[in-house]
Parts: sequence; structure tokens; C-alpha cells
Amino acid sequence: DAGVTQSPTHLIKTRGQQVTLRCSPKSGHDTVSWYQQALGQGPQFIFQYYEEEERQRGNFPDRFSGHQFPNYSSELNVNALLLGDSALYLCASSWGQGNSPLHFGNGTRLTVT
Amino acid sequence: QKEVEQNSGPLSVPEGAIASLNCTYSDRGSQSFFWYRQYSGKSPELIMSIYSNGDKEDGRFTAQLNKASQYVSLLIRDSQPSDSATYLCAVSNAGGTSYGKLTFGQGTILTVHP
Repeated sequence: DAGVTQSPTHLIKTRGQQVTLRCSPKSGHDTVSWYQQALGQGPQFIFQYYEEEERQRGNFPDRFSGHQFPNYSSELNVNALLLGDSALYLCASSWGQGNSPLHFGNGTRLTVT
Repeated sequence: QKEVEQNSGPLSVPEGAIASLNCTYSDRGSQSFFWYRQYSGKSPELIMSIYSNGDKEDGRFTAQLNKASQYVSLLIRDSQPSDSATYLCAVSNAGGTSYGKLTFGQGTILTVHP
């Protein structure tokens, strides 16, 4: 049973560039959430996708956008990268819109130089 | 005031002892509470979930919830060096409009020494 998979594992970008991160949810899950985790901090909620629509959004600027595909996989796009965007980006999947626990992928480590 | 607060530690306990991790939250509408373990450089791993007041036990782990005090804790009995990690408390208000949105504390670093 495949868990949550994310790609790439690591990424180095330059300020001002754009980046796309990808996530495939755990088998049987239909909801994908994205989190940003800065070093030494807890994950911060970016947004959640369900039925191909953004359902919830955290306190992140419009530079952060996403998409969910019919097979439930998801992308996170970040435009006009800033140094402060350097972090571990975590994708989490769950089932439905209730309070089912989230299962996290291994994350994408983004470094902006 | 942070929405979810944890003592960042580090908390150091000897092998075989009980480790006690604490968390307070500010949103009285919170309905779901989770403890995640995160090893250095790895992703968070769910170890306990609790939804109602009282204790919930799973192996060496016991989660305790007191909604009146807005307090949730995690006890780890017979601590092992392999328990050394950062423990993240997460809270959800799934009954409102925040389905699936978890608010995390900053995490408590636990070190279990032989």
C-alpha cells in the first residue's frame, strides 16, 4: 500500500524563479493538504484540495497556488520565490472532509538562494 | 498568544522513564487533537489521535485531553532511545469550516539517554 509520495526530494532555486512541487496521496485518500515547515518550527497550513477545488487556505500570499487532478494527485506552485520560502514542503492526504488523521509524505526540501 | 503552544524543550529523560509532553490550545471550538512524531530530516508520523475528554492508551503511549482546560498531553512510558524525536501537537476544528486544517505547535524535542 503506497503511502503519500512527493517529488522532487530536494530542490534549489534562485530568488524570483517559480517552482512546482508534486504529491500523490495515499491509496484510498481523496483530500490533499500542503504545509510549509521552516527549520525548528511546526508545519504551517498552506491550503487544502478536495474534489479538485481549494477548500481551505492558510495565511499565505497568492504567490502560493495549487491544483488537484482527477486522480487526486496535487501540485503546489510558488511564484516569485523569496529567500524566506526556503523550507520543507509537506503534502498530507486524508479521506473526506471530516477529521480523519493526516498522513504526510516525506516532503520536498526547497532552498532559495 | 499562539494558537497551539508547546514547551520547545529539549526534554531529556533516562531510558525506561516516563516522558510527559504538554500542549495548550486557544480555540475552544477545537474538536480533534493529534500527536505526531518527527525524526530529524523526516516527515511527521501520526502516533495518537484523541477526540473526547479523558485518556486514550495505545501501547506505551497515552494521550490525555481536557477541553475545559484546553490542554492535551502525551505520556510515553518506558521511554527508549528510539523515542528521541520532536513531538508535534496538532489541533483541528473539523466541525466548523476548517476541515482538515491542522494547527501545529512548534514541537517539543525529546531526548532519551541510555
